[in-house]
Amino acid sequence: AAGVIQSPRHLIKEKRETATLKCYPIPRHDTVYWYQQGPGQDPQFLISFYEKMQSDKGSIPDRFSAQQFSDYHSELNMSSLELGDSALYFCASSLMAEETQYFGPGTRLLVL
Amino acid sequence: AQKITQTQPGMFVQEKEAVTLDCTYDTSDPSYGLFWYKQPSSGEMIFLIYQGSYDQQNATEGRYSLNFQKARKSANLVISASQLGDSAMYFCAMREGPNTNAGKSTFGDGTTLTVKP
Repeated sequence: AAGVIQSPRHLIKEKRETATLKCYPIPRHDTVYWYQQGPGQDPQFLISFYEKMQSDKGSIPDRFSAQQFSDYHSELNMSSLELGDSALYFCASSLMAEETQYFGPGTRLLVL
Repeated sequence: AQKITQTQPGMFVQEKEAVTLDCTYDTSDPSYGLFWYKQPSSGEMIFLIYQGSYDQQNATEGRYSLNFQKARKSANLVISASQLGDSAMYFCAMREGPNTNAGKSTFGDGTTLTVKP
């Protein structure tokens, strides 16, 4: 079965640079969620989209923005990167009327 | 207040034995979902099992079962016949709200399970 696809899988950036993470949800899924997992921590919710509209917002820094496109894929844009942004970034998707969120493999971002 | 509490930072179990990973939750919403995810050292987050707050029976998925005690607000994961490949971090998570698509998941701190040969 098709799963959530994230790209790139690994990314190395320097401080103050920008990064764009991409997420392709499971086909027919209409909701996308972004989570950030720091080293040794649990995932923290950043933002979610339903039918291309932002549906909820968590602890997402102002330096970050995200959107969901007409094909339901989503991009997380991160600017002015800081060392503390180094983390594993997960995208998850779900289908309306279903409870379970399915996670992608994550993008491991390292900021030097 | 912590919404999801996993009190066991680490657990050990002998191969082929059963193990219970604890999870308690806190919510005032009558409708919620509880999940367990497995995160191996490779980092991916693998969905294991789901329990809805209105489900009458405990969820089961193969070797995984969820011991749901609503009055105690606990949702412990039971893994039967442990295998070496079960060694991983296990997260308990909750989604609140009546089937809302905006329902973000809140995670516990996780339990590291080590299966001994």
